[in-house]
Amino acid sequence: DAGVIQSPRHEVTEMGQEVTLRCKPISGHDYLFWYRQTMMRGLELLIYFNNNVPIDDSGMPEDRFSAKMPNASFSTLKIQPSEPRDSAVYFCASSYRGSGISGNTIYFGEGSWLTVV
Amino acid sequence: SQQGEEDPQALSIQEGENATMNCSYKTSINNLQWYRQNSGRGLVHLILIRSNEREKHSGRLRVTLDTSKKSSSLLITASRAADTASYFCATALRGAQKLVFGQGTRLTINP
Repeated sequence: DAGVIQSPRHEVTEMGQEVTLRCKPISGHDYLFWYRQTMMRGLELLIYFNNNVPIDDSGMPEDRFSAKMPNASFSTLKIQPSEPRDSAVYFCASSYRGSGISGNTIYFGEGSWLTVV
Repeated sequence: SQQGEEDPQALSIQEGENATMNCSYKTSINNLQWYRQNSGRGLVHLILIRSNEREKHSGRLRVTLDTSKKSSSLLITASRAADTASYFCATALRGAQKLVFGQGTRLTINP
């Protein structure tokens, strides 16, 4: 299995530009998670989906952030407009039957390193 | 705020020594998991312990859980240089299918 695939791996963009991060979860997984990692705030859960439906988006910082999952094999996280404080590593992760109650493992992608200048 | 908090934030030991990292959390959990992150990489699952378990082993890893104190510890025995990484505890809150991660412990193994 190829694992969770994220793109781009690195992106540098100017403030005000739109940023789209992409994720392909592991085939057969029904949960997809977007996390953000910074030195100051650590690893934060932004949103997660179950069977392509957003379940909890309470971690999305503000309206500039949006996430979609049009099908079981693809998800996007969009930032519009981007700001320097959005600079972080964004991780996509997936699991089968969830990680909480079910106690299943979450599999992480390698991350998208975003720098907004 | 973070559900889990690791202690210490950084730990540096000599190869061959044992490394112990601690995690404290705030609310009732279904399970607690430990993950490892090498520099510049994604997180990788190490071990899971359920709320009704007290201790679990996997190779050189030993995890304990004390639900009365809301704390867990990860012990890595006979450390190797390749164990250098950041280690995170993650808690699965009751009734939720998501994991909340702590700030992590940065472990350095000196050869």
